[in-house]
Amino acid sequence: DQQVKQNSPSLSVQEGRISILNCDYTNSMFDYFLWYKKYPAEGPTFLISISSIKDKNEDGRFTVFLNKSAKHLSLHIVPSQPGDSAVYFCAASGSGNTGKLIFGQGTTLQVKP
Amino acid sequence: DTGVSQDPRHKITKRGQNVTFRCDPISEHNRLYWYRQTLGQGPEFLTYFQNEAQLEKSRLLSDRFSAERPKGSFSTLEIQRTEQGDSAMYLCASSFGPRSTDTQYFGPGTRLTVL
Repeated sequence: DQQVKQNSPSLSVQEGRISILNCDYTNSMFDYFLWYKKYPAEGPTFLISISSIKDKNEDGRFTVFLNKSAKHLSLHIVPSQPGDSAVYFCAASGSGNTGKLIFGQGTTLQVKP
Repeated sequence: DTGVSQDPRHKITKRGQNVTFRCDPISEHNRLYWYRQTLGQGPEFLTYFQNEAQLEKSRLLSDRFSAERPKGSFSTLEIQRTEQGDSAMYLCASSFGPRSTDTQYFGPGTRLTVL
């Protein structure tokens, strides 16, 4: 059972435009959500997070939105840059103190110059 | 840069052989995690250590898998009698602090290929 789903395997956008990556989850016990970015031959790198008590968190060009009723979150990148081209993973945690992360399948973002 | 390091970066082995991977977390990080990532999937949680204590294991971690973290520093993950289905990227992550939401920093991973 895939508790965290990223239904778009890939996304291509033009440099300077907005990139929107989506993520859905099924477990209502999740209370903390994260986005990680991964370049080839590197481990995932933390990008931004959001607690379930918030519906928006912003960090520079990156904004994460959380819709708890829909069990949906999204990552907005504005403006998109070629260096943003990478695989983006949505992750969730909750219901326990271990901090273990449940990841989605990932979305490959390509930003074209 | 003193990020999370993993050794080896690549391992090719024959089915039935034992392999051991090492993870050196960021200094002073008390939490250490192992994840496994297969092609086209996100990382899947395997096990978690708080200092030297292994506090949670996934059902993905069969009895052929064993992990240790002696003295609460580096960690090893051993796979006995490897199978082709064990081929994956094995990722280690560490975090510092009392909260489960403290940021996890990942290493570059060890890519295992079982022939």
